[in-house]
Amino acid sequence: EVQLVDSGGGLVQPGGSLRLSCAASGFTYSNYWMSWIRQAPGKGLEWVAKASPDGRDKYYVDSVKGRFTLSRDNAKNLLYLQMDSLRGDDTAFYYCVRSADAAYDYWGRGTRVTVSS
Amino acid sequence: DFVMTQSPLSLPVTPGEPASISCRSSQSLLHDGNNFLSWYLQKPGKSPQLLIYFASNRASGVPDRFSGSGSGTDFTLKISRVEAEDVGVYYCMQALHPSITFGQGTRLEIK
Repeated sequence: EVQLVDSGGGLVQPGGSLRLSCAASGFTYSNYWMSWIRQAPGKGLEWVAKASPDGRDKYYVDSVKGRFTLSRDNAKNLLYLQMDSLRGDDTAFYYCVRSADAAYDYWGRGTRVTVSS
Repeated sequence: DFVMTQSPLSLPVTPGEPASISCRSSQSLLHDGNNFLSWYLQKPGKSPQLLIYFASNRASGVPDRFSGSGSGTDFTLKISRVEAEDVGVYYCMQALHPSITFGQGTRLEIK
C-alpha cells in the first residue's frame, strides 16, 4: 500500500524556518517525481515545488524561489522541504504528493504550517 | 503561466441528477497526443484525491459515473448521477508547464 506521511509543521514567527519531511512507502520511491502542494486556510490548492526521481531537477513556484529548498533522500525514501524566511502568506496545510502520468495520484494527510508572531 | 479557469464556482445539485464542471486553460495542454489535464476532488476535511488523468482516464477506484472529456484548452468533468458522497471541491490541474497550476475550485453541494 502506498503511503505518504508528511510531518514537521508547526507555529513559527515571520522570518523563521521549518523543515517539512515526507516518508514514503509501498512503492519504488526513486522512480517517481515528488512534489509539495499547499492550501492556505479556506483557499484553493497551490503547487509549491517538485523534484525529479534522481533529485537533480527541481522546480519552484515563483513566490518561494530563493526561500524554500526541496531535497530527497532516495536511500531512505524521504522528501524534504526546507522553508526559510517564512512569511504570513506561507501559512497553509502542506501536502506531500506523488506524481504519475502527469497527475498526483497519492497525497499525504498534510502538515499545518502557521507563520505568526 | 498557464492560467486555469473553472466554472461554475458553486454547483448545487439534486441527488440523482447530472453535474458538469468546465475547466479552461490559457494555453493548449495537448502534447504528444496527451492532454496534461487532471481532475481532483477534495472532500470536506480530507486530502484531495485524483479522479481523472490525461483529461479522460479514470483513476483506480473512481466510480464510472465520473467522466472527463475535452482537448486543447477546454475540458469538462461530468458526473452522470450525483450522490451525497460527491460533495466537496473539484479542481482541475495542468501539468504541461513545469510550473503546475490549479483551477480555483468548484464547490459541489447537495440541494
